[in-house]
Amino acid sequence: EAGVAQSPRYKIIEKRQSVAFWCNPISGHATLYWYQQILGQGPKLLIQFQNNGVVDDSQLPKDRFSAERLKGVDSTLKIQPAKLEDSAVYLCASSMRRGADTQYFGPGTRLTVL
Amino acid sequence: SQKIEQNSEALNIQEGKTATLTCNYTNYSPAYLQWYRQDPGRGPVFLLLIRENEKEKRKERLKVTFDTTLKQSLFHITASQPADSATYLCARLNNAGNMLTFGGGTRLMVKP
Repeated sequence: EAGVAQSPRYKIIEKRQSVAFWCNPISGHATLYWYQQILGQGPKLLIQFQNNGVVDDSQLPKDRFSAERLKGVDSTLKIQPAKLEDSAVYLCASSMRRGADTQYFGPGTRLTVL
Repeated sequence: SQKIEQNSEALNIQEGKTATLTCNYTNYSPAYLQWYRQDPGRGPVFLLLIRENEKEKRKERLKVTFDTTLKQSLFHITASQPADSATYLCARLNNAGNMLTFGGGTRLMVKP
């Protein structure tokens, strides 16, 4: 079974530039999550999708971050414009259902904002 | 707020010993706690889930306990090996039952 795929693996940009990350979850998984993991900290949930609808985006900085999952499969996370403090690893995860289910994580995208 | 805390200091132990990692939470007891392993440059990998009504859960060399009185979960690795070296994360389910909150993780180093 293929795991969660993410691209790119690494990205370096300058502040105020835009960046987008892509995630392909495990086939059949209805729930998709985007997390931000700052060095030395645990993952912090940014947004959660159930199929193509947003379940929770309470911790997403909506003035600069946006995410979509148009067809209920792949998802993109965008930052525009980026700030220095956005430097982190962005992890995508998926699960069959919400809540109690085990989450399967992708390898993450390491973003460096200069 | 629902906090979950892990010892941020790295834990260094000798191969063959038992490693014990601590996870403390605040406010109400979550319905369950999950434990994940994370290696450098990789995403977390699920290890174990323990429910509120379970005192202990085992999987091979791993054991997790859940003490709702102390508001604490302990994660044990018996007969530790250098390959067990990684960061271990605990996570709690929120009140609505639809979101996980992760602790900061504890880095374990097992020396040969």
